[in-house]
Amino acid sequence: EVVLTQSPGTLSLSPGEKATLSCRASQGFSSRYIAWYQQKPGQAPRLLIYETSSRATGVPDRFSGSGSGTDFTLTISRLEPEDFVLYYCQQYGSSPGTFGQGTKVEVK
Amino acid sequence: QLQLQEAGPGLVKPSETLSLICTVSGASITSGSHYWGWIRQHPGRGLEWIGTVYYTGKNYYNPSLESRVTISLDTSKNQFSLELSSVTAADTAVYYCARTHGGYCDSSNCLTAFDPWGQGTLVTVSS
Repeated sequence: EVVLTQSPGTLSLSPGEKATLSCRASQGFSSRYIAWYQQKPGQAPRLLIYETSSRATGVPDRFSGSGSGTDFTLTISRLEPEDFVLYYCQQYGSSPGTFGQGTKVEVK
Repeated sequence: QLQLQEAGPGLVKPSETLSLICTVSGASITSGSHYWGWIRQHPGRGLEWIGTVYYTGKNYYNPSLESRVTISLDTSKNQFSLELSSVTAADTAVYYCARTHGGYCDSSNCLTAFDPWGQGTLVTVSS
């Protein structure tokens, strides 16, 4: 199965700064089927990005996704206070679908 | 507005069967436009896809769990359920149900994102 490695494990930034989260796959897969989720404490994950770069309904445009092959990125252009939480990537281009271990964005 | 809600015992003994139900409101699980899945999150973050079901009863399971998992439907109640047999402490997790989003499902594989998710229910395996 495809192993997703997210880096860094923790990202320390200040409100208003730009966040760049990485998701690297152990092998390529023949599609753009990468999703990103946001998880707040005590809540279920919420879909932010699907098919690498498409924003889910209601997601602010400060969130964007990019990448291809084995390297994918979630970018938050200007961090708002509510963005300091956990983020996960998921690949659904190779069976079984798998998730990364998460990146925590914390206030510096 | 679509909502999903998990329900079931919070404590299961080792070697027994974990059983959870997901009740869907705001959409019919028989509409045919989406599939329905279970995902779990182990303590310390890790998310794992368990399986997905279509309203026809067609199932797709994670190979790592396939020998122990059954997902079924109760269309009269707009519910789908999860059974995981022969549980051990490694099955302790928060269990989520969710609707599929995008991707594709064919005769062999079902590869999708998930949105929305239920709030999740913690199941602890302990004697």
